[in-house]
Amino acid sequence: QQQVKQSPQSLIVQKGGISIINCAYENTAFDYFPWYQQFPGKGPALLIAIRPDVSEKKEGRFTISFNKSAKQFSLHIMDSQPGDSATYFCAASMDTGRRALTFGSGTRLQVQP
Amino acid sequence: DTAVSQTPKYLVTQMGNDKSIKCEQNLGHDTMYWYKQDSKKFLKIMFSYNNKELIINETVPNRFSPKSPDKAHLNLHINSLELGDSAVYFCASSHNNNEQFFGPGTRLTVL
Repeated sequence: QQQVKQSPQSLIVQKGGISIINCAYENTAFDYFPWYQQFPGKGPALLIAIRPDVSEKKEGRFTISFNKSAKQFSLHIMDSQPGDSATYFCAASMDTGRRALTFGSGTRLQVQP
Repeated sequence: DTAVSQTPKYLVTQMGNDKSIKCEQNLGHDTMYWYKQDSKKFLKIMFSYNNKELIINETVPNRFSPKSPDKAHLNLHINSLELGDSAVYFCASSHNNNEQFFGPGTRLTVL
């Protein structure tokens, strides 16, 4: 059972464009939703995270939008740059008890110059 | 000044062998994890330790045995390696919140 579904699998965006990656979750006990960025040969690195008490969080060019009723959240990368080319993973976990991350399947983003 | 480190970075071995992967964190975190990333890049939790106590043990074969000698270290020992064990194994750590910091990974190849 895939508890966190991520789309698209791959994404090509022109430099300066907006990259949008979507995730949907099933387990209503999840209350922490991070996005991780992974470059080839490296470990995942935390990019930005949100909790369900807010509908949007922005850090620089990265924004998470969160829709609790729809059980969906998305990552928007504004002014996408070639250096943003990487694999992005959404994830979810519980704030207490079991804190292990349940990951989405990943989105490979290519930003073309 | 690496936060979460793993050794070795690459591990190539024959089927049936026993191998260990080591993880150390210098962040003062109290919870450590092992994740497996398969060939399709899917990341899945294997184990979690909190203050040296096992708190999560997903459906992982008994051939995998984690050991935490202290809060800063979490090792993974794998017995009787199989072809399907080939993957990248990531160690991660966190403290009192959900922010998890990942190590650089160990790419295990079983021939």
